[in-house]
Amino acid sequence: GESVGLHLPTLSVQEGDNSIINCAYSNSASDYFIWYKQESGKGPQFIIDIRSNMDKRQGQRVTVLLNKTVKHLSLQIAATQPGDSAVYFCADGPTGTYKYIFGTGTRLKVLA
Amino acid sequence: DGGITQSPKYLFRKEGQNVTLSCEQNLNHDAMYWYRQDPGQGLRLIYYSQIVNDFQKGDIAEGYSVSREKKESFPLTVTSAQKNPTAFYLCASSSGNRGTEAFFGQGTRLTVV
Repeated sequence: GESVGLHLPTLSVQEGDNSIINCAYSNSASDYFIWYKQESGKGPQFIIDIRSNMDKRQGQRVTVLLNKTVKHLSLQIAATQPGDSAVYFCADGPTGTYKYIFGTGTRLKVLA
Repeated sequence: DGGITQSPKYLFRKEGQNVTLSCEQNLNHDAMYWYRQDPGQGLRLIYYSQIVNDFQKGDIAEGYSVSREKKESFPLTVTSAQKNPTAFYLCASSSGNRGTEAFFGQGTRLTVV
């Protein structure tokens, strides 16, 4: 992902449905990726990570998929709940300069 | 508990004033970062530090200054030269090793009055 000052896209999902949030990255040398969740007025929290030697990693109700061929990763949230409403960021890094590169983020809205 | 602490949570600044935002971590991390977040937008890197007594400019360093005199502390000063300082400021830290995540504080919301 690249840090760009654009308005966040929004994904609206019905409670109980699955959510899929997508992220593209540009550096083909990236070998570590992280998903963060940020609730309103709070700092981002770590959700799950994945290394480039993996295609898929599962956590509790979350799955991250990595497609290195097209430089794309996705976060899948199963049985989306109201508490999942937040902004979700992907990041890669740290690079050799210790920097993380953050995606623009997606706002997930869970509809009752 | 190990973590990263930012203070204050809310800060109000008059135009022309300098203000300093505090960031402290007890995770024994070498690297620390400051990000700015504007409403409905992503994170933009202001400054980062890989080690004590060393720091580098990020993408939007103009109007900001930092210091790294201690490993656990990385204060950010928003100077009067920053023309649009109202934003949410996030501090983060990491071990700096490849394949490790960054940990974030809870943020400081700065408002110019």
